[in-house]
Amino acid sequence: AQSVTQLDSHVSVSEGTPVLLRCNYSSSYSPSLFWYVQHPNKGLQLLLKYTSAATLVKGINGFEAEFKKSETSFHLTKPSAHMSDAAEYFCVVTPMTSGTYKYIFGTGTRLKVLA
Amino acid sequence: GAGVSQSPRYKVAKRGQDVALRCDPISGHVSLFWYQQALGQGPEFLTYFQNEAQLDKSGLPSDRFFAERPEGSVSTLKIQRTQQEDSAVYLCASSPWTSGGEGATQYFGPGTRLLVL
Repeated sequence: AQSVTQLDSHVSVSEGTPVLLRCNYSSSYSPSLFWYVQHPNKGLQLLLKYTSAATLVKGINGFEAEFKKSETSFHLTKPSAHMSDAAEYFCVVTPMTSGTYKYIFGTGTRLKVLA
Repeated sequence: GAGVSQSPRYKVAKRGQDVALRCDPISGHVSLFWYQQALGQGPEFLTYFQNEAQLDKSGLPSDRFFAERPEGSVSTLKIQRTQQEDSAVYLCASSPWTSGGEGATQYFGPGTRLLVL
């Protein structure tokens, strides 16, 4: 069975300060892991994905995430928040196997960026 | 190129009405997924197609929900006798991959927001 836990439902940061959005996963199989962002009334946009090639993954808009198997974590970070980063962020797990690779989503973290 | 499109973007239905939600995937994508996103929640899997074959419908909440993809391209999610608890955003995603693997990625449409009164 697989699951994802996003540890914070809301995170507030000041513009220009670092962002940390936490995600822990549980998976019986080697997982694929993703972070998606959802702006209001917009579709889900892929930020980055973990493929097992490298544990530190760089994504779009300055975001990155580190896969830590020992901690079953895949936290999302950004060195300096921008006002445009305010959105809902979802951590996603799916099995790296054949068959239905449906996404299992976390409950989301709403990021607020203060001026 | 064109992304995944969904129509209508908004739908208001009276309880008991039938609704049909359409998804146009990215051209050439063999895999198509439907998800339901309740207010304040993460999306939840409903069903999965590979070309025209519905390979997994384990997430459909009741037999009032029905999905099809007859020609392996456009898909329709139909909800019969809508109930208030069906109010949600319905997301469609497509993918060129037919299985999991190195970062199999799904591409999402903007969703259809359904409100059942």
